[in-house]
Amino acid sequence: QKEVEQNSGPLSVPEGAIASLNCTYSDRGSQSFFWYRQYSGKSPELIMFIYSNGDKEDGRFTAQLNKASQYVSLLIRDSQPSDSATYLCAVNMRGSSNTGKLIFGQGTTLQVKP
Amino acid sequence: DGGITQSPKYLFRKEGQNVTLSCEQNLNHDAMYWYRQDPGQGLRLIYYSQIVNDFQKGDIAEGYSVSREKKESFPLTVTSAQKNPTAFYLCASSTPRTGNTEAFFGQGTRLTVV
Repeated sequence: QKEVEQNSGPLSVPEGAIASLNCTYSDRGSQSFFWYRQYSGKSPELIMFIYSNGDKEDGRFTAQLNKASQYVSLLIRDSQPSDSATYLCAVNMRGSSNTGKLIFGQGTTLQVKP
Repeated sequence: DGGITQSPKYLFRKEGQNVTLSCEQNLNHDAMYWYRQDPGQGLRLIYYSQIVNDFQKGDIAEGYSVSREKKESFPLTVTSAQKNPTAFYLCASSTPRTGNTEAFFGQGTRLTVV
């Protein structure tokens, strides 16, 4: 089992719809969770982080964390063609909090169609 | 402007050559990391450093070497022992000691073996 798993996609949604991206992780003691957006040929850009169970909203983005079920999700409301990118889930696992090491999933490619 | 600068953006290596990738940050971050990304894959950790003059191997350190002589700089050498070096290399930094484990990335170096 991979430490951080994402469906590689592509996930295709129409413009204006809600895109839902999911990520599961294996270490129950994981402490912090991150979503990065990566455009083709570019480096990852941090868009959200979440440390506590529940929802965290920032503009059109909402991160959801459920530690009991070991999953974290990212919702993008009113999806725009400019949101088309690969979304990487990253987890800071138990014992790694003082090093900052992140374990990445393989990423989910999102396509928003006009 | 604060940020992480990687150079060069593109690098070509001949068989048997060592090459060094530069990473400099002016964010005053304690920790720095090197990741490798292959097409369609997530990021894999090569080396990381939490403090000057100290560094640890990540998951795929074989064929690579690093140094951390200054807080701002964390160069990565890809040696001839790395049999498949063609990849996108990403440098990141963070401040895990303050509890902020968000990592920020440079623009990346794309290395190709010719």
